[in-house]
Amino acid sequence: EDKVVQSPLSLVVHEGDTVTLNCSYEVTNFRSLLWYKQEKKAPTFLFMLTSSGIEKKSGRLSSILDKKELSSILNITATQTGDSAIYLCAVSMNYGGSQGNLIFGKGTKLSVKP
Amino acid sequence: GAVVSQHPSRVICKSGTSVKIECRSLDFQATTMFWYRQFPKQSLMLMATSNEGSKATYEQGVEKDKFLINHASLTLSTLTVTSAHPEDSSFYICSGWVTRREGTQYFGPGTRLLVL
Repeated sequence: EDKVVQSPLSLVVHEGDTVTLNCSYEVTNFRSLLWYKQEKKAPTFLFMLTSSGIEKKSGRLSSILDKKELSSILNITATQTGDSAIYLCAVSMNYGGSQGNLIFGKGTKLSVKP
Repeated sequence: GAVVSQHPSRVICKSGTSVKIECRSLDFQATTMFWYRQFPKQSLMLMATSNEGSKATYEQGVEKDKFLINHASLTLSTLTVTSAHPEDSSFYICSGWVTRREGTQYFGPGTRLLVL
């Protein structure tokens, strides 16, 4: 069964801390791994990773994929209260007529305290 | 980035009525749109994959006669929850697939459905 597992499920930190969120996957026909940030509404896209070892960076956020370990991490440095959200990891696969389906992990709920 | 809209953003209805949710890609053509459902404190669960001009593909356990999906154009997909019941109350989110090559989905803002 295809699955995506995120850890930790929840995390409480203080402003300025650095956090690392983990995502591991077991899927057939892996295509890409995506990170999303979900606040009160629908998820917003952060990163898409397809190649191992290449870091993607956007401001204080960065992410990298390890295809050998079937995992990815999302780093947030100098956290701010506005980073408080649920961070979702999803994997896209190739198969048959269902190309593009995403399987989501349960998410990591990050709370940043002032 | 690509923009997807959903309408309505929230709806309250009586048990037994049908509710239609629209999903539009505003600045791109989405040959494929996905419909997800998210229950409180749970992750998104794919309900169905909607391809323009063809029948939707439903995930296991999702009743196709209850959740009617129509993808009549490259910018519009609709989900109709027929004979809604309280257990259908959930957050429904659609997404559009920008290009097959990228594999990136952009999500609509979601529709919160409450069935009384």
